[in-house]
Amino acid sequence: EVQLMESGGGLVKPGGSLRLSCAASGFAFSNAWMTWFRQSPGKGLEWVGRIKSRSDGETTDYAAPVRGRFTILRDDSQNIVYLQMNGLKIGDSAVYYCSTDSGDLWGQGTMVTVSS
Amino acid sequence: EIVMTQSPLSLSVAPGQPASISCRSSESLLHRDGKTYLFWYVQKTGQSPQLLIFEGTTALARVPDRITASGSGTEFKLKFSRVEAEDVGTYYCMQGINPRTFGQGTKVEIK
Repeated sequence: EVQLMESGGGLVKPGGSLRLSCAASGFAFSNAWMTWFRQSPGKGLEWVGRIKSRSDGETTDYAAPVRGRFTILRDDSQNIVYLQMNGLKIGDSAVYYCSTDSGDLWGQGTMVTVSS
Repeated sequence: EIVMTQSPLSLSVAPGQPASISCRSSESLLHRDGKTYLFWYVQKTGQSPQLLIFEGTTALARVPDRITASGSGTEFKLKFSRVEAEDVGTYYCMQGINPRTFGQGTKVEIK
């Protein structure tokens, strides 16, 4: 089955770290550029960042609010893309989704709550 | 960053009636590669967003024929020739030129 499944969300204190995982199946993951989005009631849908395929240099791009704090990584041997989040702020609270960069496949999302 | 503005923000439509959603971008979405980087998504309650339209006007195979998209440059529309109960949800336009940005969303409900 073609799917993406996020995990790793939870409750974390401001300043803390969290690593989200997105497991892919049913398609050629190593060729896919992968994207993270997030959605919160206050800010709506936001693009977080993207990682290209290894053959395209595995380069990353990030939205300004997360640049320098978040890192996207991929493990093509396990078909997983990660979102490493450091220096978390209350404003980072959201449901985080991974997606293929083409946008035609999304995971179900994982909730991140940053609160003291 | 490119600002996306949708209107209306909510739409209540009787079954079988037509409807449309507008989306305006603060800059042209026509890229130098010739493609228009405008996407339409629908998000139904409790679900993740689902892609309906890419490159401004191209619908995915799963999209019913009564839903079409038009537009170019900075002005785009998503049209329903007749709204059905399954169309209930929140519709978002998104521009695909990094950093990607979304419109505020249009909530569609059935009268």
